[in-house]
Amino acid sequence: DAKTTQPPSMDCAEGRAANLPCNHSTISGNEYVYWYRQIHSQGPQYIIHGLKNNETNEMASLIITEDRKSSTLILPHATLRDTAVYYCIPQGGSEKLVFGKGTKLTVNP
Amino acid sequence: KAGVTQTPRYLIKTRGQQVTLSCSPISGHRSVSWYQQTPGQGLQFLFEYFSETQRNKGNFPGRFSGRQFSNSRSEMNVSTLELGDSALYLCASRLAGGLGEQFFGPGTRLTVL
Repeated sequence: DAKTTQPPSMDCAEGRAANLPCNHSTISGNEYVYWYRQIHSQGPQYIIHGLKNNETNEMASLIITEDRKSSTLILPHATLRDTAVYYCIPQGGSEKLVFGKGTKLTVNP
Repeated sequence: KAGVTQTPRYLIKTRGQQVTLSCSPISGHRSVSWYQQTPGQGLQFLFEYFSETQRNKGNFPGRFSGRQFSNSRSEMNVSTLELGDSALYLCASRLAGGLGEQFFGPGTRLTVL
């Protein structure tokens, strides 16, 4: 399983974009990059995933570098409800998700 | 469509007892995975079932076991409970095996005294 490095914490002002980086330099060619988040005391929630192209959905955008060694999750207009721990998880053929420590994002009013 | 449900939501047991936790996946989902979350170790994968067969297993002792029924509902059992088994146990379901987003339930908070 590819190892990931994420900053332990980040702050963002409400209404501004939150950019959460993830380093996954050992990712293999068949591994997708998945992002989940966990709001306090709840189960993790899927956000978005991608292989090598940038992706966007109603929740966020995912930017993956051309060499696939890092990615950035973008929440375009962060709200207080986006305060959570965000996990970046490379996933290949195995069904299991290997969670790291993630980034604790705090959105401030 | 109803989400993943887990019962019970909270449980208190004493050392040496055993416990069974239940998970009902989203209707139509055939893959169920279990995770343990503790403050010290974070979220760790326990095992994954698909069509009543265990397809993947994490690094947990044999005291942790699970099964899946024909209706995709799953149970996990922990025998001879230890204080360190106190954790939030999360279940996640997926449409099929392989890749794809997983939908997590709210978890069962187990406290071992």
